[in-house]
Amino acid sequence: EDKVVQSPLSLVVHEGDTVTLNCSYEVTNFRSLLWYKQEKKAPTFLFMLTSSGIEKKSGRLSSILDKKELFSILNITATQTGDSAIYLCAGLGGATNKLIFGTGTLLAVQP
Amino acid sequence: NAGVTQTPKFRVLKTGQSMTLLCAQDMNHEYMYWYRQDPGMGLRLIHYSVGEGTTAKGEVPDGYNVSRLKKQNFLLGLESAAPSQTSVYFCASSFHNPGQGAEQYFGPGTRLTVT
Repeated sequence: EDKVVQSPLSLVVHEGDTVTLNCSYEVTNFRSLLWYKQEKKAPTFLFMLTSSGIEKKSGRLSSILDKKELFSILNITATQTGDSAIYLCAGLGGATNKLIFGTGTLLAVQP
Repeated sequence: NAGVTQTPKFRVLKTGQSMTLLCAQDMNHEYMYWYRQDPGMGLRLIHYSVGEGTTAKGEVPDGYNVSRLKKQNFLLGLESAAPSQTSVYFCASSFHNPGQGAEQYFGPGTRLTVT
């Protein structure tokens, strides 16, 4: 059965800290790994990773995929209170080529 | 562009009642999806559509029906609501099969409570 596991489940840090969120996956016919940020409403797209070892970067956020070890990490440097959200990881693949989501990591950044 | 919109935003139903959730997108996306999100369960796919007039079952389809009569709209129906269907429902759309590189765009969600 396809599954995506995220850790930690929740995390509390102070502004300025650096955090690393983890995502491991077991997805048949795996194609890509996606990260989303969910604040109060809809998940918003952050990154899609398809190739192993190539870092994707957007401002203070970066992510990388390891297709040999079947995991991805999302790094956030110099965290701000606006980074507080649930971060969702999803594997693209499976028998019907759809997204399989993890349960998310709840990040709280305190002033 | 409004992106992906959902109506209603909130709804309370009694057990056994029926209702329809509407999803609309103005991005000319071929693919549309309905998810439910429950605490500790993540987002789970209910049904999806790869084009106008087509629908398919996702991970948790029981108790739901869908229709895609127009490309821009994707309707989710609850035939006889049950308390287990209390959840937040998200609609999403994408340009084409995500295997070809397109991410999914999500609507703001509908919070449904079944008493």
